[in-house]
Amino acid sequence: AQKVTQAQTEISVVEKEDVTLDCVYETRDTTYYLFWYKQPPSGELVFLIRRNSFDEQNEISGRYSWNFQKSTSSFNFTITASQVVDSAVYFCALSVREYGNKLVFGAGTILRVKS
Amino acid sequence: KAGVTQTPRYLIKTRGQQVTLSCSPISGHRSVSWYQQTPGQGLQFLFEYFSETQRNKGNFPGRFSGRQFSNSRSEMNVSTLELGDSALYLCASSLPGPNQPQHFGDGTRLSIL
Repeated sequence: AQKVTQAQTEISVVEKEDVTLDCVYETRDTTYYLFWYKQPPSGELVFLIRRNSFDEQNEISGRYSWNFQKSTSSFNFTITASQVVDSAVYFCALSVREYGNKLVFGAGTILRVKS
Repeated sequence: KAGVTQTPRYLIKTRGQQVTLSCSPISGHRSVSWYQQTPGQGLQFLFEYFSETQRNKGNFPGRFSGRQFSNSRSEMNVSTLELGDSALYLCASSLPGPNQPQHFGDGTRLSIL
């Protein structure tokens, strides 16, 4: 079975601080895909990034960066110089080849960025 | 490019009734998935449709059903509504394959009285 754990329920930071959101996953499949989604107060889930299990390269996109480590089954997400607009719920998710497009989500981390 | 469209945005029903929710995917996306989001259980997968066939199903009772039409539009139906069915129902569309990012609609918020 697949499982995603986001141990941080809620994080509060002051604007311009860096913040890291943790994600730990479990799967027996050797081919899997990891995703991060953002859910602002309006409700829609916004896709941020996808990572394949066979590609451990870290990625940076503007103020966002992702650290994928298979050895610790983690796929952490860092926001540099946070802004109030980053306030949202962030979800980490996992899919495996056997179950097609089915996403298994973590519980989410509420990020509050204060000005 | 238009996003995923879900209708209606809000719905209020009473116990025992049934409800149908609609989802129009992004043009060209033939895979449509449905998720239920509640404060207690989080985001849970309901089912996925591709080319009018259900490919995967989550652990929900048979009261939850869905279908997909030839134009890839999808509907989900919940019969004999229970209070616990109150949730945000999200539809997502994508190209086929577990590596494809899913694009979500704004959701339908269903409240059961």
